[in-house]
Amino acid sequence: AQSVAQPEDQVNVAEGNPLTVKCTYSVSGNPYLFWYVQYPNRGLQFLLKYITGDNLVKGSYGFEAEFNKSQTSFHLKKPSALVSDSALYFCAVRDSPGTYKYIFGTGTRLKVLA
Amino acid sequence: DAGVIQSPRHEVTEMGQEVTLRCKPISGHDYLFWYRQTMMRGLELLIYFNNNVPIDDSGMPEDRFSAKMPNASFSTLKIQPSEPRDSAVYFCASSFDEPFQYFGAGTRLSVL
Repeated sequence: AQSVAQPEDQVNVAEGNPLTVKCTYSVSGNPYLFWYVQYPNRGLQFLLKYITGDNLVKGSYGFEAEFNKSQTSFHLKKPSALVSDSALYFCAVRDSPGTYKYIFGTGTRLKVLA
Repeated sequence: DAGVIQSPRHEVTEMGQEVTLRCKPISGHDYLFWYRQTMMRGLELLIYFNNNVPIDDSGMPEDRFSAKMPNASFSTLKIQPSEPRDSAVYFCASSFDEPFQYFGAGTRLSVL
């Protein structure tokens, strides 16, 4: 079965520093990978996706993610963190080709300290 | 567009009562998803529809849960009878021919 893992429950980073939120995946075939962000009392918001093409994917709010096939990773990054980036981040993978079913990770809480 | 609209935002009920959660997807979207979010189990897909037809309901926990989509602009998720372990945040999401989804703000359900 397809799966994603987010090994860190929480990541703390100082404002202005680069941030990385980790995600690894296990799929058969080519992965469809996504990052979503959830602010308090809100639904998830799509940030970016990787389906094919360049391994470095750029998304909303200055975020980017690097697809690494050999390490089966899809880490979320941002060069300079903002306090407003503090939120819950979810990695997701498509369950199988041709489906719209996605498997979400357990989430990583990002805390950016002023 | 107002986005995906869910109602109510909060629901408190007693064990054994029927609960109905409602969702209005974004106009023109042909996929609709129901998710449940808990601390213990994270975000789980319960069921999804395409053109009002249920495609995959393998995530529906048991017969107490049912979902319908009578038309393209409305869906319900019903729990009957409700139990305390059903307490969670329930999200509705929709999409149109794209691999990512637009989520509603969720319904926080508390079953006492």
